[in-house]
Amino acid sequence: NAGVTQTPKFQVLKTGQSMTLQCAQDMNHEYMSWYRQDPGMGLRLIHYSVGAGITDQGEVPNGYNVSRSTTEDFPLRLLSAAPSQTSVYFCASSYSSPSQETQYFGPGTRLLVL
Amino acid sequence: AQSVTQLGSHVSVSEGALVLLRCNYSSSVPPYLFWYVQYPNQGLQLLLKYTSAATLVKGINGFEAEFKKSETSFHLTKPSAHMSDAAEYFCAVSRSGGSNYKLTFGKGTLLTVNP
Repeated sequence: NAGVTQTPKFQVLKTGQSMTLQCAQDMNHEYMSWYRQDPGMGLRLIHYSVGAGITDQGEVPNGYNVSRSTTEDFPLRLLSAAPSQTSVYFCASSYSSPSQETQYFGPGTRLLVL
Repeated sequence: AQSVTQLGSHVSVSEGALVLLRCNYSSSVPPYLFWYVQYPNQGLQLLLKYTSAATLVKGINGFEAEFKKSETSFHLTKPSAHMSDAAEYFCAVSRSGGSNYKLTFGKGTLLTVNP
């Protein structure tokens, strides 16, 4: 199993540009989530999904959209990038809720918005 | 709502010394508690978790943590630090029971191990 994969590893955007961060898992996990990690802030939950077709907001959802059309994929969209979205983004997955099952994290995407 | 406070953003120990990373939580309901480790340029990995069974929880790589309800604490310890333990450590909390999809993370503690 490849586990949780994320692409790209690193991206530079200009303010106002859009992009999609890709996340895929091959473990047939129901639950997937996106976090952002900023220095001194820990990880903050952006959006999560409990299954195909079901998504919900986390702690910091503004400026981000998600969809879950398949069990395997959970892309994160930035419609109009802002410098405040400069961060490291992690995707994670687990069989059910992360409080019941171990969450597996991807290697992260470093995003710089100029 | 739950919250986590990690005391000390940076802890430095000598190789072979005791590792103690502090975590205090706030929760209006019985919590589940977690410690995650992040090595440089990698994602997070679960070290151990408390889910209302034994209060002393043993994890991977020789780490353990003790849930103390009276002190609202879940400190992480390891008797003897190894160079490979150098990483950032995150404490996290969620509500217990049922399907809880939101983990709240602390701000992290960077552990440095000196030779």
